[in-house]
Amino acid sequence: DAKTTQPPSMDCAEGRAANLPCNHSTISGNEYVYWYRQIHSQGPQYIIHGLKNNETNEMASLIITEDRKSSTLILPHATLRDTAVYYCIVSGVNFGNEKLTFGTGTRLTIIP
Amino acid sequence: DTGVSQNPRHKITKRGQNVTFRCDPISEHNRLYWYRQTLGQGPEFLTYFQNEAQLEKSRLLSDRFSAERPKGSFSTLEIQRTEQGDSAMYLCASSSGRAEQFFGPGTRLTVL
Repeated sequence: DAKTTQPPSMDCAEGRAANLPCNHSTISGNEYVYWYRQIHSQGPQYIIHGLKNNETNEMASLIITEDRKSSTLILPHATLRDTAVYYCIVSGVNFGNEKLTFGTGTRLTIIP
Repeated sequence: DTGVSQNPRHKITKRGQNVTFRCDPISEHNRLYWYRQTLGQGPEFLTYFQNEAQLEKSRLLSDRFSAERPKGSFSTLEIQRTEQGDSAMYLCASSSGRAEQFFGPGTRLTVL
C-alpha cells in the first residue's frame, strides 16, 4: 500500500470548516483513498473514500487532486464532537478485502 | 445495538498467563479483521477472515497468537504466555465486502 503523510496536529474553531490534508504521492492507479477517524477510547470510524472524483456524504467531503498525489478531507461545520485523530489511508481496489494500513494520523482539536 | 461487540472490554493479566478475547461482528458481515493499537500509534493489522477461512496473517502475529472464526460467525483471539509488550488495545472490525470496515470498541489488555 502507498504511504501517506499527514500533519500531526491541527486546530479548528467550532463552526468553521476543518480542512485536513494528506499526501500520497506514490499512490497507484487502483488504490483508493480512505479516511477514518478515532475519537478517544473508541474504535476507528469510517468517514469517506474515493478513487479520483470528489466525494461528499453526510459527514464530510473528500477532494482529490487531479494527479491523485494528495487529498483534503473537509468537515464543513466542525463541532466539538469532531475532535479526534483522523487517518488518511491508501488501499487496494478490493472493497473490504484489504487490510487497512494506518499511520499516526492528524489529531484535530475543535476549539470552542 | 447491532454494531461490532468485543469482550471483555478490559483485561489485566500477569506475564505468562494466557488470555482470550472475543469479537462478535455485524451479523451479515462475512469479513472479520483483528488489529492491535499501542499508545500514540495507529492500529496495526494482525489477521483477516473471510467466513471461517483465515486468509492473511501479519508477521506481527507471532506463534503465541492464534485466531479462530468457527462457523464464520464470532471470532476469538488467544495470546499464550503473555508478555508486557503485548499490552495494547485489540480491535476487531467487520465488513460485508464493501469499502467500509466497522470497528468494535476494542479490548484493552494490560500485562503486569
